[in-house]
Amino acid sequence: TQLLEQSPQFLSIQEGENLTVYCNSSSVFSSLQWYRQEPGEGPVLLVTVVTGGEVKKLKRLTFQFGDARKDSSLHITAAQPGDTGLYLCAGFSGTYKYIFGTGTRLKVLA
Amino acid sequence: GAVVSQHPSRVICKSGTSVKIECRSLDFQATTMFWYRQFPKQSLMLMATSNEGSKATYEQGVEKDKFLINHASLTLSTLTVTSAHPEDSSFYICSANPGNTLHFGNGTRLTVT
Repeated sequence: TQLLEQSPQFLSIQEGENLTVYCNSSSVFSSLQWYRQEPGEGPVLLVTVVTGGEVKKLKRLTFQFGDARKDSSLHITAAQPGDTGLYLCAGFSGTYKYIFGTGTRLKVLA
Repeated sequence: GAVVSQHPSRVICKSGTSVKIECRSLDFQATTMFWYRQFPKQSLMLMATSNEGSKATYEQGVEKDKFLINHASLTLSTLTVTSAHPEDSSFYICSANPGNTLHFGNGTRLTVT
């Protein structure tokens, strides 16, 4: 069974702090996506990474795909209250099935 | 970008009744759609993969007679929760993947009283 473990599960930080969320698996994925979900809504795609070692930046968010395409990280610089939400990584194995990570719930305090 | 529309956003029903949730791809054709269930403060759990023109593929532990899936056209998949019970109360989300990226509906909050 493919699993994607995210850490930490919960994170409460002050506005302006930096943080990193990790997404780890023993399986190789052909691509990996990061989503943010707010209560009562569906997840919204942040980024897709495809190439091992790839780094993508989205304003204050930096995403990295591991060289072996088994893990990924999301780094947020100078977090803001608007970054609060549930962050989910999802791996695509190429069998038309997406495996979701266990989720990281982030709360940024003003 | 790709848009997936889900309806209704909220539904309250009485125990024993059935509820249908619709998932539409608005600007692309989807031969495959995915149905997820999400418990409070948890990640998404894949329930089944809906295939246009053929039977859905259910994940282990998901009752196919309880959660009926129909994918009759390239833009519409429906999930019917039959004989709903309070333990079926949850957040149900559909998605489709034009390309290698999932796009989600806004989810349906089902409350069974």
